[in-house]
Amino acid sequence: DVKVTQSSRYLVKRTGEKVFLECVQDMDHENMFWYRQDPGLGLRLIYFSYDVKMKEKGDIPEGYSVSREKKERFSLILESASTNQTSMYLCASMASYTGELFFGEGSRLTVL
Amino acid sequence: QQQVKQSPQSLIVQKGGISIINCAYENTAFDYFPWYQQFPGKGPALLIAIRPDVSEKKEGRFTISFNKSAKQFSLHIMDSQPGDSATYFCAAGHYGQNFVFGPGTRLSVLP
Repeated sequence: DVKVTQSSRYLVKRTGEKVFLECVQDMDHENMFWYRQDPGLGLRLIYFSYDVKMKEKGDIPEGYSVSREKKERFSLILESASTNQTSMYLCASMASYTGELFFGEGSRLTVL
Repeated sequence: QQQVKQSPQSLIVQKGGISIINCAYENTAFDYFPWYQQFPGKGPALLIAIRPDVSEKKEGRFTISFNKSAKQFSLHIMDSQPGDSATYFCAAGHYGQNFVFGPGTRLSVLP
């Protein structure tokens, strides 16, 4: 089974702190994604990556950056956390030949 | 930003009933329409998907109906069970690339 692992399930940070959300997949998938999930808004794409060291902005990239130094790992970075970034963050991977997204269990971030 | 509209926001169905969730998309170039199911505390998981070359796809109790001319597609859950209680997301996009998700429908199936 494909496994997408997000390192932290729950985080509480203060405004202005730098936050790292780590994601690792074990199926050698080319594509990786970071989504933000908020009630009534569904899943909104923050950033995605089709290959190592490549990144593309999604629909809501402001306030976020990403890093993909290895194929299996895709990190989301909040340079200076703000209260409006309190949310559930979901990482996903996809093999381009299947089109199926495999999601991690999510990281719930609270910014105080 | 391309939108995917989804309705209803929430749905309550009796056990054994039919659950129907509707979605509409804007971009006629989209060629892949998946549905994802999410249980509390878990990430979404692919339930069923359809390509625009067919009008219907059935997998067990789950059926996608697709209307290309109307740019609409829907999920039908036959013989709904309490275990189907979850949030359902439709999505639209390009196969093998990123998708646009709908806002989700919270389904509750009463025993």
